[in-house]
Amino acid sequence: QSVLTQPPSASGTPGQRVTISCSGSSSNIGSNYVYWYQQLPGTAPKLLISRNDQRPSGVPDRFSGSKSGTSASLAISGLRSEDEADYYCASWDDSLSGFKWVFGGGTKLTVL
Amino acid sequence: EVQLVQSGAEAKKPGESLKISCTGSGFRFTTYWIAWVRQMPGKGLELMGVIYPEDSDTKYSPSFQGQVTISADKSTSTAYLQLSSLKASDTATYYCARSYYYGSGGDLDFWGQGTLVSVSS
Repeated sequence: QSVLTQPPSASGTPGQRVTISCSGSSSNIGSNYVYWYQQLPGTAPKLLISRNDQRPSGVPDRFSGSKSGTSASLAISGLRSEDEADYYCASWDDSLSGFKWVFGGGTKLTVL
Repeated sequence: EVQLVQSGAEAKKPGESLKISCTGSGFRFTTYWIAWVRQMPGKGLELMGVIYPEDSDTKYSPSFQGQVTISADKSTSTAYLQLSSLKASDTATYYCARSYYYGSGGDLDFWGQGTLVSVSS
């Protein structure tokens, strides 16, 4: 059971805007940054959004991140077939002892 | 160019041990935390632990504490993940990734290509 909760799946048609949610608590998302990772089929994960809403160099501006309270969202506008991938949110959890990084369970995005 | 290059795929039998390597280049290896992440077939990402190669400060996720050993050799810019007494359930792809911070501000900004480990009798 992941500390951060994501829907297992999401879908959209080309050109559409889709959002993926990530729900946490006051000890993680509520008081820490949220990160998003994209994992294309058969490849290593890639950092997509850093510190809630910052896009690393090379990430298209079709991807955006936001956070409100204890939840965060990844939005993808102008959906393209190459966006079909697994998406993971991550954060830091102050309530954990020792190791404090946590991942969500991942959302599989299908482009119909 | 930043790179994290991992050792190749491994096929092991139950009970055997294994040490996976992750060699960094293109950046100052000793100033980054190196994390190890497990991905079982068809499953999500699981953070196993991290190491700071400069002083080998290591932190393990509770799920993996005592089950794996993370180490580093700063002279060769290489981090290691050791798995002992392998079981079929250790079959997974293992990734290394780097982070400048171990904290709320830390992101895993570069990843290795992954090492597929298969454990079967």
